[in-house]
Amino acid sequence: NAGVTQTPKFRVLKTGQSMTLLCAQDMNHEYMYWYRQDPGMGLRLIHYSVGEGTTAKGEVPDGYNVSRLKKQNFLLGLESAAPSQTSVYFCASSYRAVQETQYFGPGTRLLVL
Amino acid sequence: AQTVTQSQPEMSVQEAETVTLSCTYDTSESDYYLFWYKQPPSRQMILVIRQEAYKQQNATENRFSVNFQKAAKSFSLKISDSQLGDAAMYFCAYCTGNTPLVFGKGTRLSVIA
Repeated sequence: NAGVTQTPKFRVLKTGQSMTLLCAQDMNHEYMYWYRQDPGMGLRLIHYSVGEGTTAKGEVPDGYNVSRLKKQNFLLGLESAAPSQTSVYFCASSYRAVQETQYFGPGTRLLVL
Repeated sequence: AQTVTQSQPEMSVQEAETVTLSCTYDTSESDYYLFWYKQPPSRQMILVIRQEAYKQQNATENRFSVNFQKAAKSFSLKISDSQLGDAAMYFCAYCTGNTPLVFGKGTRLSVIA
């Protein structure tokens, strides 16, 4: 039981490049989330999903897109990376509701030059 | 919008002593949920404790307990018998049954041997 995994662990991009971050969970959770963590800012929600095929915007969705084609996977895409997207990205999941315990992945550090 | 405020960016405690981390939140809802998450240097986010607002009894988990003051909108975390492994960032978070988690900016706790 791996819990929540994230791929890759670290990535360097040039401005304007695109990439996709992959989150996978093996706990049969319905809800999945993408956060970004910046120094002094805590965690801010980018997008989330309440089930396969559904997504919703969070607090800071601009510049990101997401897809939940399979229940166990939640993809975060950056179509045209900007230096302001340099951050640590965390994926999380919860069983059936937002008020349940969230289980987090180990994070992906992204540097946009 | 709901906000979560952690007024202490940094705290320190002597090993074996007790420390209290503060958290206040702003909401007009009567039914909501409060959390404390821990982020050690490994970056892995871990749930420390969870409180349901409709429960008057303060939640406890071993050496961790909360002081939930609903009228004051305060949710402080008390760590008893502090250990070196308690050194971490601690995040307070809030959600309702319909809205995702909102995190505070965190408190960095140092434990002095």
